[in-house]
Amino acid sequence: NAGVTQTPKFRVLKTGQSMTLLCAQDMNHEYMYWYRQDPGMGLRLIHYSVGEGTTAKGEVPDGYNVSRLKKQNFLLGLESAAPSQTSVYFCASTGGRRTEAFFGQGTRLTVV
Amino acid sequence: RKEVEQDPGPFNVPEGATVAFNCTYSNSASQSFFWYRQDCRKEPKLLMSVYSSGNEDGRFTAQLNRASQYISLLIRDSKLSDSATYLCVVSPSGGGADGLTFGKGTHLIIQP
Repeated sequence: NAGVTQTPKFRVLKTGQSMTLLCAQDMNHEYMYWYRQDPGMGLRLIHYSVGEGTTAKGEVPDGYNVSRLKKQNFLLGLESAAPSQTSVYFCASTGGRRTEAFFGQGTRLTVV
Repeated sequence: RKEVEQDPGPFNVPEGATVAFNCTYSNSASQSFFWYRQDCRKEPKLLMSVYSSGNEDGRFTAQLNRASQYISLLIRDSKLSDSATYLCVVSPSGGGADGLTFGKGTHLIIQP
């Protein structure tokens, strides 16, 4: 079982470039989330979705956009990358608001 | 007051010892509580859910104290493989899917 799959796993961007991170889950989960994790900061919620076609802002949404056109996919976009967006990005999904979260393996992004 | 607070550690503990750490949360209406484990540069994975009555899974015991708004994790007979970061996770109350709120984690090092 694949669970939650993130692509790519690693990426180096130049300041100002754009990119899209893809998260795919095969568990038919309604809820999907994007987090970033920085040293000493823990996991911080960027955006989340409670179902196909819906998205909402989390704690640190600035500089990111998301889309959930299909239930199984949740895309995170960086329109103009900045060095402050250097981080490890994790996607997660849950079957409900209060149930176990399953995480992807993470995307290590460096913006130079 | 931050939503979920943990002592970052590190906790340096000899193999075979018992170690415990707490996590406090600010939202008294929180409904669900979890402990996740995160190994270096890997994704978080569920260790155990925390029920009102407390629960035990082998060497691990989790407790919830709603009156004082904290949860605890006790590890008995610690093993070298228990070295990791332990994340306290709290789910919001009904009325808004804000996603799971993570503490910054407690770093545990088991020493031979």
